[in-house]
Amino acid sequence: NAGVTQTPKFQVLKTGQSMTLQCAQDMNHNSMYWYRQDPGMGLRLIYYSASEGTTDKGEVPNGYNVSRLNKREFSLRLESAAPSQTSVYFCASSVRELVKDEKLFFGSGTQLSVL
Amino acid sequence: TQLLEQSPQFLSIQEGENLTVYCNSSSVFSSLQWYRQEPGEGPVLLVTVVTGGEVKKLKRLTFQFGDARKDSSLHITAAQPGDTGLYLCAGPSFNAGNNRKLIWGLGTSLAVNP
Repeated sequence: NAGVTQTPKFQVLKTGQSMTLQCAQDMNHNSMYWYRQDPGMGLRLIYYSASEGTTDKGEVPNGYNVSRLNKREFSLRLESAAPSQTSVYFCASSVRELVKDEKLFFGSGTQLSVL
Repeated sequence: TQLLEQSPQFLSIQEGENLTVYCNSSSVFSSLQWYRQEPGEGPVLLVTVVTGGEVKKLKRLTFQFGDARKDSSLHITAAQPGDTGLYLCAGPSFNAGNNRKLIWGLGTSLAVNP
């Protein structure tokens, strides 16, 4: 069972370059999320998609765009990377939008460095 | 603003010792979740506590939800090196727009030495 698959695992960019982080889940989940994790800041929500065809901003959306390509796939794009976007990025999914005891399933993360 | 504060931030113990880590808030949560994150991996859900005063056990791990649903604790008995990782607590937030997101603590980083 693959669960949530993220690619790439590691990436180094120069300031100003663009890239897309890919995420796919095979659990038929409705909701998908992009988080970043930084020391001392914890997990912060960038964007989420409650269901296919919808996306919404999280806590830290500036500098990012997302696309919910279909029910399985949710991509995160950095149009012009900045050093402040150096972080570990996680994609996650849940059966439905987070309610009382909904469970999040995470991918293994993308470690991104912007020089 | 709902916040979750975890303590201690770091903990290094010897194999076989017992430990307790805490997740506290001044706000009431409808539920709290505990995740464990191993190096290079994403968080994995361990348990969800829903009812005030609830105690759940997962092998050597005991989770408790406070009576007032403002805090939770995780107790590990006879810690093993395989327990090493970052322990995160999280709870659902309800903002004015009724968009439901998770509030995350910063975690307790546990190292269990052989």
